[in-house]
Amino acid sequence: EVQVVESGGGLVQPGRSLRLSCAASGFTFDNYAMHWVRQAPGKGLEWVSGISWNSGNIGYADSVKGRFTISRDNAKNSLYLQMNSLRSEDMALYYCAKPAAGYPGVFDDWGQGTLVTVSS
Amino acid sequence: DIQMTQSPSFVSASVGDRVTITCRASQGISSWLAWYQQKPGKAPKLLIYAASSLQSGVPSRFSGSGSGTDFTLTISSLQPEDFATYYCQQANSFPYTFGQGTKLEIK
Repeated sequence: EVQVVESGGGLVQPGRSLRLSCAASGFTFDNYAMHWVRQAPGKGLEWVSGISWNSGNIGYADSVKGRFTISRDNAKNSLYLQMNSLRSEDMALYYCAKPAAGYPGVFDDWGQGTLVTVSS
Repeated sequence: DIQMTQSPSFVSASVGDRVTITCRASQGISSWLAWYQQKPGKAPKLLIYAASSLQSGVPSRFSGSGSGTDFTLTISSLQPEDFATYYCQQANSFPYTFGQGTKLEIK
């Protein structure tokens, strides 16, 4: 069974940093790109960042470019999101998402999310 | 960036109704379009990919169509469990983008 489990969320002050992790199991992790998608309270879905299987292709939403860094460790079946210079508008539930086979930008498995709260 | 615009933002319908949601891309995305369903407190669920391919396990009352810039999601006969929020998403190129969502409520 495919599982992706996020961790690392919490309360952080504006301007500070936080690192999210996603532990994957039940599939061959290094065969797949992986993504982060977020959802602010009461709002819609926003794709944040994605990384190819070998880290050779990385993309970011304009809203986080230059502040967030996505990475992965295939030996540990893990995905990460380093979030720096956090703003109030970054407050959201952050989902780790696995794409469907053959469709790197379509997300067929999601975690339950980890909540990031940005407040002084 | 490719902008995705859904309509309507809100729809009220009854069990058994046929409902259609539309999604328009700001530029052509071929068939790189997915639809998701999200219920309160839950992660999104993939319904349709490649504009018209039904994800495994999704009931056949859900269907998708379109290519280029204009797409539709149709639910042929609404069931009680279908009341949720629906999102389209372009999977053509980074940065991937979602529509703003369509909330489907019981009339």
